Amino acid sequence: QKEVEQDPGPLSVPEGAIVSLNCTYSNSAFQYFMWYRQYSRKGPELLMYTYSSGNKEDGRFTAQVDKSSKYISLFIRDSQPSDSATYLCAMSAGRQYIFGTGTRLKVLA
Amino acid sequence: DGGITQSPKYLFRKEGQNVTLSCEQNLNHDAMYWYRQDPGQGLRLIYYSQIVNDFQKGDIAEGYSVSREKKESFPLTVTSAQKNPTAFYLCASSSQGSDIQYFGAGTRLSVL
Repeated sequence: QKEVEQDPGPLSVPEGAIVSLNCTYSNSAFQYFMWYRQYSRKGPELLMYTYSSGNKEDGRFTAQVDKSSKYISLFIRDSQPSDSATYLCAMSAGRQYIFGTGTRLKVLA
Repeated sequence: DGGITQSPKYLFRKEGQNVTLSCEQNLNHDAMYWYRQDPGQGLRLIYYSQIVNDFQKGDIAEGYSVSREKKESFPLTVTSAQKNPTAFYLCASSSQGSDIQYFGAGTRLSVL
């Protein structure tokens, strides 16, 4: 079993849709949960991070962590063509830092 | 502007040649990291450094070398021993006690 599982997509949605991106993980020691956005041929950009369980909202983006299910989600409301990118989840416990393989998202105008 | 600068953006390596990728940060971060990104794979850790003059191997260190002589700089050398060097290389940094890593724009390395 991989430490982090992330659906690679691609995920295509119409402009204005609500997008749900997800990761599952196996190591219950993870405490920090991050979402990065990566445009083609660019470095990952930190979108949001959450410590332990719960929700965090920032504009159109909401991150959720369910530690009991070992499941994290990123929701994008009112999706825009500029949201088209690869979204990477990441999680850490001290010096261990693990990335998902990324989900490619395409928002169609 | 604070950030992480990687150079060059594109790099080409000939057979048997060593090449060095630059990573500089002005965020005053203590820890720095090098990752390799291949299509369809997650980021894989090559080397990391928590403090100056100290570094540790990551999951795929073979064929790579690093140095950390200054807090701001963490160059990566891809040696001729690395038989499959074509990839996107990413440098990251984090502050002491923080689990949050920030990334540079990356260097794309190709073999001629």
